Amino acid sequence: GENVEQHPSTLSVQEGDSAVIKCTYSDSASNYFPWYKQELGKRPQLIIDIRSNVGEKKDQRIAVTLNKTAKHFSLHITETQPEDSAVYFCAASRAGGGNKLTFGTGTQLKVEL
Amino acid sequence: DVKVTQSSRYLVKRTGEKVFLECVQDMDHENMFWYRQDPGLGLRLIYFSYDVKMKEKGDIPEGYSVSREKKERFSLILESASTNQTSMYLCASSFVETQYFGPGTRLLVL
Repeated sequence: GENVEQHPSTLSVQEGDSAVIKCTYSDSASNYFPWYKQELGKRPQLIIDIRSNVGEKKDQRIAVTLNKTAKHFSLHITETQPEDSAVYFCAASRAGGGNKLTFGTGTQLKVEL
Repeated sequence: DVKVTQSSRYLVKRTGEKVFLECVQDMDHENMFWYRQDPGLGLRLIYFSYDVKMKEKGDIPEGYSVSREKKERFSLILESASTNQTSMYLCASSFVETQYFGPGTRLLVL
């Protein structure tokens, strides 16, 4: 089955700096890669996703890049703000897999003032 | 807005008890999922269902069962709770790829 590895497990940045979280996946048939943000005590929520026919997608301060050859994808957050502090999860799924997601182990991002 | 609700936010049970966790979604989604979330392990899929009365094992189904008698409701059952099932349990639903999560149930098994 699919295996998703996520790094780093914790990340601390100064407000205004950029943050990058990286994930690798094992199943070359995976074609959908979402990122979820979970604030303390709250449910995970989708913040951005990318499909395998696209190399990069951007939404305001967040962007995701995908390298199918290397089987890795990354989340980039620019101009970080305190409200970006949360746990971020990457995930992967394949077509015909019942829309089942395999999640990474999460990255605790802390944005310091 | 999609709404996914779970029957309890916090639950304390004793070892050996049968435990029912319920999840309800109001968006007529085909797919429903049960995960457990543990520190450092992320979200691990226990079971999922893509239709009424259909179920598929996820990555960690041992010690759990599920029931989906109606499209909007997906129940997770711990047949005989054990202390290693102390965890946060998250339910999710989806129409296609995007999954919408419930608020979670924090279960403590003593």
